[in-house]
This record gives sequence, C-alpha cells and structure tokens, in this order.
Amino acid sequence: GAVVSQHPSWVICKSGTSVKIECRSLDFQATTMFWYRQFPKQSLMLMATSNEGSKATYEQGVEKDKFLINHASLTLSTLTVTSAHPEDSSFYICSITRGRKGSNYGYTFGSGTRLTVV
Amino acid sequence: GENVEQHPSTLSVQEGDSAVIKCTYSDSASNYFPWYKQELGKRPQLIIDIRSNVGEKKDQRIAVTLNKTAKHFSLHITETQPEDSAVYFCAARWGYGNKLVFGAGTILRVKS
Repeated sequence: GAVVSQHPSWVICKSGTSVKIECRSLDFQATTMFWYRQFPKQSLMLMATSNEGSKATYEQGVEKDKFLINHASLTLSTLTVTSAHPEDSSFYICSITRGRKGSNYGYTFGSGTRLTVV
Repeated sequence: GENVEQHPSTLSVQEGDSAVIKCTYSDSASNYFPWYKQELGKRPQLIIDIRSNVGEKKDQRIAVTLNKTAKHFSLHITETQPEDSAVYFCAARWGYGNKLVFGAGTILRVKS
C-alpha cells in the first residue's frame, strides 16, 4: 500500500490559536485525501475530502471556515484548525487511497495527530 | 449518504473461543468492506477486507463474510488470544466518491 506521513503526532495549543496538520503521500500522487476526526472512545468520523487543486468537500456539520483544508500538491494536504477551542481536542487522521472510484485499492492512514487545546 | 451500523459495542470472550462482530450498511452501491483493528492512540490497522464480488475471505484465524442481498458483513476471529484485545471497526466504501465510512466500533476483550 501507499506510505503516508502525518505531522505533528501531537500538539498542544492555547485556545484561540490555529494549528496546522500536514499529511504527505510519500510514494504516490494522491489527487484525493481524506481527513477524519476521532474523539475518545468513538469512531472515525469523516470530516472532509481534500481534492488536489480544488476546494475540499466537507461533510455535513463540519465548518469549512474553521477547518481549512489545502491540497496544493499531489503529495501534500494540510488541515488547519482555526481559532481552536477545547472541544476541538481530538485525534485527527488523514487517509489516502490509490484507487479510483469503483476500484479495488485499499486505504492507507497517517499516524494521526493528537490535538489538545488548553 | 452511507450509514454503517456495528454490533456489539463490547464483546468479552474467553481465550480460545471465537468472536463475531457484525455490520450492516445502507448503500447498495458500496463495493469494498475493510475491517480495522485499532490500539489506543494508533492508526487503524487493516486486518482483512472483502470486495463486493466475493462472499467470504479467510486469513488464518480471521475471516469475513459478506451478504450483499442483506447488506451485512461480519468478522469472525477463531481461537482468540489476549493480544486480539483491541477496538475493531468495520467500514464500507460509499459508492460515490470513494469515501470510507466507519462503524461505531467494537471493544473486544479476550480473557485469559
């Protein structure tokens, strides 16, 4: 499968500040990347689909102005949590798939970023 | 959109017994169904997957079955061991856009 690097692995920030999380595809040109959020003892919830060279597609209930996604190249997508608040504290994970719509390729996940807002 | 339901939420078994986790999905166009094991603070690890053109797949102690008509798929772990204790998630690739939607997860505890 593809190799995905996510950085940072953990971050602590003050309430009101912004935090940027990077997701890199190291061996594959990913036109699409996915961003998930996972609260403690809960499942992975898809936040948005990051599309290279165009606007991200956000899931219902996810504020696009708060969670800024930039996919400026085929190997890098960034998620910026703006004006972070304690309720944004969560585990954020990116994912890519080699496959196109309807294909049989699986998904590779980044190592995740533990965000704590104090 | 796709909706995936997973049961049970917790499952305790004795070492050596079998464990079964079940999921249902809503989108009949879904064509890929992976199962992940996740340890605390780690990324999900794929343990087995199945495509929609297959009814069953097995890998040593782990098997997955798929009933497309009923939109059900299940994970079977035989001869469970303490190291199988973890959270398990099923998922389904939504037919539109390659999105992968996860079930709520099952905490599996294997008692020795």
